Amino acid sequence: QKEVEQNSGPLSVPEGAIASLNCTYSDRGSQSFFWYRQYSGKSPELIMFIYSNGDKEDGRFTAQLNKASQYVSLLIRDSQPSDSATYLCAVSGSGNTPLVFGKGTRLSVIA
Amino acid sequence: DTAVSQTPKYLVTQMGNDKSIKCEQNLGHDTMYWYKQDSKKFLKIMFSYNNKELIINETVPNRFSPKSPDKAHLNLHINSLELGDSAVYFCASSQAGVAGYTFGSGTRLTVV
Repeated sequence: QKEVEQNSGPLSVPEGAIASLNCTYSDRGSQSFFWYRQYSGKSPELIMFIYSNGDKEDGRFTAQLNKASQYVSLLIRDSQPSDSATYLCAVSGSGNTPLVFGKGTRLSVIA
Repeated sequence: DTAVSQTPKYLVTQMGNDKSIKCEQNLGHDTMYWYKQDSKKFLKIMFSYNNKELIINETVPNRFSPKSPDKAHLNLHINSLELGDSAVYFCASSQAGVAGYTFGSGTRLTVV
């Protein structure tokens, strides 16, 4: 059974701070890693993806992958109240393996 | 122009009824999915269709039956609805070589 684990939160950070969201996965053969953001009552939207070990930056977001530790993280710099949402980590193996999602971490950015 | 559209957005029905949810994507993607999101926000894969063929069928009750008339459409039919079927159902699509899935806006199903 492939599993993706996340701390459910809520994670509260002050405006302007760095929010750090973590995710671990059980399947060592996983190859693709995604972070989705989901606002309450809305659908998940893709914000970052990473395939290789190391860091990948896009604007205020940085995804970090460590395959040896089976660990993925998302850093949000200069957090804004509009970043308040649930962040879902998703992991996929090769080919047509569908994404397996974690239960999400609820982030609250306090103004 | 909506990329992945689902109808209806809300569905309230009584136990024992049969209902369908429709999904259409205009992205030209070759794979479509149905996910169920429970009250604790856990998104779980139900079905995956690649070029109209079922390639994944996670352990969902056989009261749920996906139907794909063509690669742009994936509908979900549910027989004999139960209280535990209440959830938000998301349709999604993807294309080989393109990162991630595009999700529809979801169908909130409430069984009373």
